[in-house]
Amino acid sequence: GNSVTQMEGPVTLSEEAFLTINCTYTATGYPSLFWYVQYPGEGLQLLLKATKADDKGSNKGFEATYRKETTSFHLEKGSVQVSDSAVYFCALSVNGNTGKLIFGQGTTLQVKP
Amino acid sequence: DTAVSQTPKYLVTQMGNDKSIKCEQNLGHDTMYWYKQDSKKFLKIMFSYNNKELIINETVPNRFSPKSPDKAHLNLHINSLELGDSAVYFCASSQAGRPEQYFGPGTRLTVT
Repeated sequence: GNSVTQMEGPVTLSEEAFLTINCTYTATGYPSLFWYVQYPGEGLQLLLKATKADDKGSNKGFEATYRKETTSFHLEKGSVQVSDSAVYFCALSVNGNTGKLIFGQGTTLQVKP
Repeated sequence: DTAVSQTPKYLVTQMGNDKSIKCEQNLGHDTMYWYKQDSKKFLKIMFSYNNKELIINETVPNRFSPKSPDKAHLNLHINSLELGDSAVYFCASSQAGRPEQYFGPGTRLTVT
């Protein structure tokens, strides 16, 4: 079946540190991959996406590359800020625009000043 | 302008009651979804509608009944509420031909 696995949290970093949140997936077919972010008390915001192998999604200093050979979509940021503190979800969709999103368990990031 | 909106934001009710959550999107999308986020923040699809037609129903109890009066609205009615229904419910929508979905702010349901 289709599934997403994220690294366990919480992840605690100091401001300006480098961030990596690991995400691996299992999917039939050719999934689209996403990172969503949930700030405290808010809904999910689409952070970035990649729809085919070797695509790199990027937004707000965050990046992730669709690696088919390792079935991974790791999230990175070169220098985190306190305002990046949130829960990050990796997700996939295998059935185009009417397909459900399958989420990982979420990774909580806490950035300290 | 709010793209995907939900009402109410908070809902506290007693076991056995019936309640509804409303969702509206002004993005012109033709597919809408309901997701449930449990206390551990795990998200799972419940339903999906495309042009008012049900296309995904993920083993959700019959007490949950989605209704789509038009493609901009997807409401969720829950009968005979149980303690285990306490969660945050998110509505989402997507555009034809694009896989990404856009989420509403969520409705936190607490059943006492």
